Amino acid sequence: DAGVIQSPRHEVTEMGQEVTLRCKLISGHNSLFWYRQTMMRGLELLIYFNNNVPIDDSGMPEDRFSAKMPNASFSTLKIQPSEPRDSAVYFCASSLRQGQETQYFGPGTRLLVL
Amino acid sequence: DAKTTQPPSMDCAEGRAANLPCNHSTISGNEYVYWYRQIHSQGPQYIIHGLKNNETNEMASLIITEDRKSSTLILPHATLRDTAVYYCIVTDSGGSNYKLTFGKGTLLTVNP
Repeated sequence: DAGVIQSPRHEVTEMGQEVTLRCKLISGHNSLFWYRQTMMRGLELLIYFNNNVPIDDSGMPEDRFSAKMPNASFSTLKIQPSEPRDSAVYFCASSLRQGQETQYFGPGTRLLVL
Repeated sequence: DAKTTQPPSMDCAEGRAANLPCNHSTISGNEYVYWYRQIHSQGPQYIIHGLKNNETNEMASLIITEDRKSSTLILPHATLRDTAVYYCIVTDSGGSNYKLTFGKGTLLTVNP
């Protein structure tokens, strides 16, 4: 079991550029979560999906952020245009099903927007 | 609107038991207590959870008071690798719109 896989692990970009973060769920898991972690705000839930359907996106900061699940095992989080305040570590996590709080986290993507 | 209160930091000697407290005085009957930890530069890791009975697994033990207003996570023989931020989370298992809300947690430092 490879666990949750995230790519890239590190990303440095300039303000205004598009950034795409990728996440592969654990095989057989049906729920997917995107989190953002900063020193100031801690670990925040951005959005979560169940069976490829977005259930709660209330944590998405603004329209510059979008997330998709093109299939049951893969998700992307896109920021366009990126801003320096988007610099953070972005984690995705998966769980077996909705209501299953045992979430398995990926290693995170460290994003730096200059 | 944090549902839990944890001390910001604790120290523990290597090989000794680490007892991490958590207050959740407003917990409701269908809410579980979950513990996660985050080792530096890694994603959070599930440790244990419980409803009202004490629980034990290969990582830790969870002691929940009878009134369920507080709990203690016990690492029986702490090692240097247990140095991490420990999060106590209260959540409604099985709810239609559940989610984990991470607070600031407790930074546990295990000293040699």
